[in-house]
Amino acid sequence: NAGVTQTPKFQVLKTGQSMTLQCAQDMNHNSMYWYRQDPGMGLRLIYYSASEGTTDKGEVPNGYNVSRLNKREFSLRLESAAPSQTSVYFCASSQASSGNTIYFGEGSWLTVV
Amino acid sequence: QKEVEQNSGPLSVPEGAIASLNCTYSDRVSQSFFWYRQYSGKSPELIMSIYSNGDKEDGRFTAQLNKASQYVSLLIRDSQPSDSATYLCAVNFNDMRFGAGTRLTVKP
Repeated sequence: NAGVTQTPKFQVLKTGQSMTLQCAQDMNHNSMYWYRQDPGMGLRLIYYSASEGTTDKGEVPNGYNVSRLNKREFSLRLESAAPSQTSVYFCASSQASSGNTIYFGEGSWLTVV
Repeated sequence: QKEVEQNSGPLSVPEGAIASLNCTYSDRVSQSFFWYRQYSGKSPELIMSIYSNGDKEDGRFTAQLNKASQYVSLLIRDSQPSDSATYLCAVNFNDMRFGAGTRLTVKP
């Protein structure tokens, strides 16, 4: 029961470095999401993909790019990491973007120094 | 504006008591509402979803929805120490938005 798998689980970056967080789901879901979670801030939506071939900005998209590679995979890229991007990142998926339960991956802990 | 508001707490209740968690949201058009539980260092997991006005019960958990007041709540009956976690309210606005969460501690 893999569900939503995201890699890496932990990463330390230097300011200005780039990296890509990978996410894959095996539930044949149409919609996928990237959230970040900071203490006291809850989950904030970065980008989402309602279906294969589409992506949309969420609440906090600045400094990030995404790619919906295929139905299974949705990656998040930090082109030039900043300390403000230190956070826990969660990938999630749902059958559709409206009305359905979303299921989360285990999270990726990113520290930018 | 797509906003979901929760009392950040912390909320502390004795074992066996009822814990009441509240959430308000900004968009009257929203039709789908969810409660997630998140243990420290873990990912959120679904407790309940609710789509219609009124109450929905599942074991010790009851979700209550009032669309006219734009209010959704979660009651946990017979609270157990294992219920100690952060509870996240989520509202579907075409995408899914979360409140900041309420931290619940159940004291033995």
